[in-house]
Amino acid sequence: SQTIHQWPATLVQPVGSPLSLECTVEGTSNPNLYWYRQAAGRGLQLLFYSVGIGQISSEVPQNLSASRPQDRQFILSSKKLLLSDSGFYLCAWSPPGLSKVEEQFFGPGTRLTVL
Amino acid sequence: GQNIDQPTEMTATEGAIVQINCTYQTSGFNGLFWYQQHAGEAPTFLSYNVLDGLEEKGRFSSFLSRSKGYSYLLLKELQMKDSASYLCAVRKTGGFKTIFGAGTRLFVKA
Repeated sequence: SQTIHQWPATLVQPVGSPLSLECTVEGTSNPNLYWYRQAAGRGLQLLFYSVGIGQISSEVPQNLSASRPQDRQFILSSKKLLLSDSGFYLCAWSPPGLSKVEEQFFGPGTRLTVL
Repeated sequence: GQNIDQPTEMTATEGAIVQINCTYQTSGFNGLFWYQQHAGEAPTFLSYNVLDGLEEKGRFSSFLSRSKGYSYLLLKELQMKDSASYLCAVRKTGGFKTIFGAGTRLFVKA
């Protein structure tokens, strides 16, 4: 069976500090991977998605970046956090390919507070 | 533009039936999803509609009308554990982008 891991679960960071959130998926190969952010009381905002190693598509211009160094590893980074970066960050995966619409499976999330 | 609208909050009684509506306006449509999200947790998949009509899965049913840009999630025999946010999401054509609504917080009272 497939599992998805995210860490850390919670994080409190000062403004201007760097960020690195990691997501790994087990039990599947070449998954589509996604990073979402959910602000309090808001819907999920797609930040990045990846269909393969080194392939990253950005949906929202901002001070965040993503990388996929390995098939089942997805990393969200920032060089300098802003207050507006606070939120609940969710990693998700879906089976590879576009031929069939599949639901996404979400990780447990990281709650980031920027002070 | 792209927009997904859902009521912000709803309250219902244990054992009752509740219908959560969702209207959408998106450039391209390749399916509509409903997810359940308990407070502080990740969303979990409930249902998927790509054709018009009703999809039933146990106590949960989801309806879609593509011509009206409308869907609803029907929850029957409500239980206290159904208290959660319910997210409506539309998958766009030609890519991987899924647009999520802000969610409807459902409170189930005894």
